[in-house]
Amino acid sequence: DTGVSQDPRHKITKRGQNVTFRCDPISEHNRLYWYRQTLGQGPEFLTYFQNEAQLEKSRLLSDRFSAERPKGSFSTLEIQRTEQGDSAMYLCASSPQFRDREGTDTQYFGPGTRLTVL
Amino acid sequence: QKEVEQDPGPLSVPEGAIVSLNCTYSNSAFQYFMWYRQYSRKGPELLMYTYSSGNKEDGRFTAQVDKSSKYISLFIRDSQPSDSATYLCAVSTDSWGKFQFGAGTQVVVTP
Repeated sequence: DTGVSQDPRHKITKRGQNVTFRCDPISEHNRLYWYRQTLGQGPEFLTYFQNEAQLEKSRLLSDRFSAERPKGSFSTLEIQRTEQGDSAMYLCASSPQFRDREGTDTQYFGPGTRLTVL
Repeated sequence: QKEVEQDPGPLSVPEGAIVSLNCTYSNSAFQYFMWYRQYSRKGPELLMYTYSSGNKEDGRFTAQVDKSSKYISLFIRDSQPSDSATYLCAVSTDSWGKFQFGAGTQVVVTP
């Protein structure tokens, strides 16, 4: 499978615990994005990387959230001291720097990690 | 006011009908327009990707962009029950930056 993969697919945690999610982008895609999606809403941008560099962060990304992409390949998103309001689907997407065979340099999404904070 | 507005539906159509979906946006700087399909509890799947104004067709799907009206549309011909999903529009000022998504329209195609 050459698509974007995310792990775990589901995570249930208690309020106050830390959680970490992983995203593996499509091979050779140098851009990687994190979004959050709550029920009945479209995805909301959190942050994105070009290679190892984190180029933009949303105001939604509070101090409790941190994202890394240390080697320019996979990325992790950590949430510290989780709150019930953090319950959502966390989506990862990747895109190539140049247009791919389908003629697009747009974003391809993974299956998401569903977080439930009790 | 949200930057991208999309009717949440649900939109129910009989099998074989044409599904018509649309979004409006507020920022004239948006240049890239995408449609994604999302099945329940799955990640969004890219359907159509267009740059600037005009039409684009891919099989049963047609995307239209009218930048003068800040209005984008997706049409699905000969709809099938497997088309039942939530359809998300997304816009961006550039191809590599963040996307602004609509809330999604739930479509139900009944046999």
